[in-house]
Amino acid sequence: QPVLTQSSSASASLGSSVKLTCTLSSGHSSYIIAWHQQQPGKAPRYLMKLEGSGGYNKGSGVPDRFSGSSSGADRYLTISNLQSEDEADYYCETWDSNTPLVFGGGTKLTVL
Amino acid sequence: EVQLVESGGGLIQPGGSLRLSCAASGFTVSINYMSWVRQAPGKGLEWVSVIYSGGSTYYADSVKGRFTISRDNSKNTLYLQMNSLRAEDTAVYYCARKEGFGEPVRYWGQGTLVTVSS
Repeated sequence: QPVLTQSSSASASLGSSVKLTCTLSSGHSSYIIAWHQQQPGKAPRYLMKLEGSGGYNKGSGVPDRFSGSSSGADRYLTISNLQSEDEADYYCETWDSNTPLVFGGGTKLTVL
Repeated sequence: EVQLVESGGGLIQPGGSLRLSCAASGFTVSINYMSWVRQAPGKGLEWVSVIYSGGSTYYADSVKGRFTISRDNSKNTLYLQMNSLRAEDTAVYYCARKEGFGEPVRYWGQGTLVTVSS
């Protein structure tokens, strides 16, 4: 089954940009993933669906500051012009015919 | 507007049973892929179970044989029957909607907390 690997933490300054990484396991580098944001004390929120080609489709209301890209087995979430409300946990998600849902371990983003 | 509202969580003793509900509005549960995802305190997201539009059900190994997912089409509601509960089942349980295979979770409920403790 696919495994998603994320760094446990990241930090960046208010107004700057940050790029979070989600890496697919060997043999699964073409998989589509999704990014979700979980602000403290809240439920997760869908951000975008991201394909291996780098094409992405964002959820309703997701700011333009959020974008996605891909390179090989790596899937990226870039947040530009960081705001305080972007401080959250970010999870990637994938699936296949044998694995209904799998999540990465999450990255805790701190906005300095 | 799509909404998912979970209920049924609470404090339960080890070995006990609990049934969670997820009332859906704005879409039809029976033609979507509906999952339960849980999050233990301070931990990440863990998939628990799914029911596909055709009615097939699947479970994580950690809950297989103890949990049962189902839906009531007339009530447009998803359920999770949890039996033989253990301390390690303590978590916030979220229901989540996927529109089909090849699609991600696009909608989440607000979650309901299950605490298994004596």
